[in-house]
Amino acid sequence: DADVTQTPRNRITKTGKRIMLECSQTKGHDRMYWYRQDPGLGLRLIYYSFDVKDINKGEISDGYSVSRQAQAKFSLSLESAIPNQTALYFCATSDWGEQYFGPGTRLTVT
Amino acid sequence: GEDVEQSLFLSVREGDSSVINCTYTDSSSTYLYWYKQEPGAGLQLLTYIFSNMDMKQDQRLTVLLNKKDKHLSLRIADTQTGDSAIYFCAEIPQGRRALTFGSGTRLQVQP
Repeated sequence: DADVTQTPRNRITKTGKRIMLECSQTKGHDRMYWYRQDPGLGLRLIYYSFDVKDINKGEISDGYSVSRQAQAKFSLSLESAIPNQTALYFCATSDWGEQYFGPGTRLTVT
Repeated sequence: GEDVEQSLFLSVREGDSSVINCTYTDSSSTYLYWYKQEPGAGLQLLTYIFSNMDMKQDQRLTVLLNKKDKHLSLRIADTQTGDSAIYFCAEIPQGRRALTFGSGTRLQVQP
């Protein structure tokens, strides 16, 4: 089984809709992250959490919110989706060093 | 990532060596990383180097670190078609608590 799973893997939604992307990890790590990937821009950090009670904004948090429901679960929400949030979204987890990434969620906002 | 820069594309022939370059801005980063992203997949850690090292070799991979010039490179010897992927360098800059990635270099290996 994969260490980091993301659901859904693909999603098409309309402008203005609320959408939640979910992430679960079985590594037992405290640290979890959400990134988005856009062509030519690499990965940019949206939010990160170092434990269940710790939530921090990354470099591009506007338009997003997160919830750390448990050590193993970290969800990302788009309260009112807009087309420029069309991207590939990755969840990751780490202890102090290597980050382990999920397979990604491809989100399209029309 | 504005702190880490990479060229966007590299094409090599199968069997040749590939060299992927990266420049970074924060000399206080303790570790520097190379991640590989295969088509349709997430990122996977390929290798990393501790900042007090100049070189690290791991089978076909050689990482070179020039701290004076803030330059990191990844050399892949005997490049294979299976090495075709996007390669990201990354660091954790001082004052930040998560990785900052370069824009990624797409490596295309021609048979």
